Amino acid sequence: DIQMTQSPSSLSASVGDRVTITCRASQSISSYLNWYQQKPGKAPKLLIYAASSLQSGVPSRFSGSGSGTDFTLTISSLQPEDFATYYCQQSYSTPPSFGPGTKVDIK
Amino acid sequence: QVQLQESGPGLVKPSQTLSLTCTVSGGSISSGSYYWSWIRQPAGKGLEWIGRIYTSGSTNYNPSLKSRVTISVDTSKNQFSLKLSSVTAADTAVYYCARELTVAGKNNWFDPWGQGTLVTVSS
Repeated sequence: DIQMTQSPSSLSASVGDRVTITCRASQSISSYLNWYQQKPGKAPKLLIYAASSLQSGVPSRFSGSGSGTDFTLTISSLQPEDFATYYCQQSYSTPPSFGPGTKVDIK
Repeated sequence: QVQLQESGPGLVKPSQTLSLTCTVSGGSISSGSYYWSWIRQPAGKGLEWIGRIYTSGSTNYNPSLKSRVTISVDTSKNQFSLKLSSVTAADTAVYYCARELTVAGKNNWFDPWGQGTLVTVSS
């Protein structure tokens, strides 16, 4: 199975900050990497698929990059509604697996 | 747009079988290149993929749960279901159903998700 790691596990930031979250796969997964946002008590929501494609309806301040084993989710200017936990997920092989999450909270 | 809704008992006794159903609305479960998946999340923890089914009936399961999991589909009711046998307290979690779009077999992602249902395993 492919193991996913994320860093940091949590971060504190202010509205307007640029935020970067890193995801690493235990082996190369090409660009088969997705990002989700989860708010407390809610289901995860797809933000980015195939490493860098923005899901319809997701604000353009979210962007993804990377390939192989190292990936990045960037929020260019953090908004109040962006405080949440973010998960990466690989689809290169079955079983699909998720990173442990990065919690973004208010500084 | 497509919406998913989980249903089933919120409390299951240890050693018994957990049974959940996901009802798909706003579209046919048989249309498009989609798998239909179950994912769970213990309180305060991360996400674990349980398994998926294609409308042809073909399935894939997480090896960590494979011996206890059965996923089935009822296209006439636009539903798919999860059974997890011999449950223990470690199976206590929020269970989500999700549509999994597949592109060329590897480019898959989960969207949308159901709201989730909490299943507690306790006597």
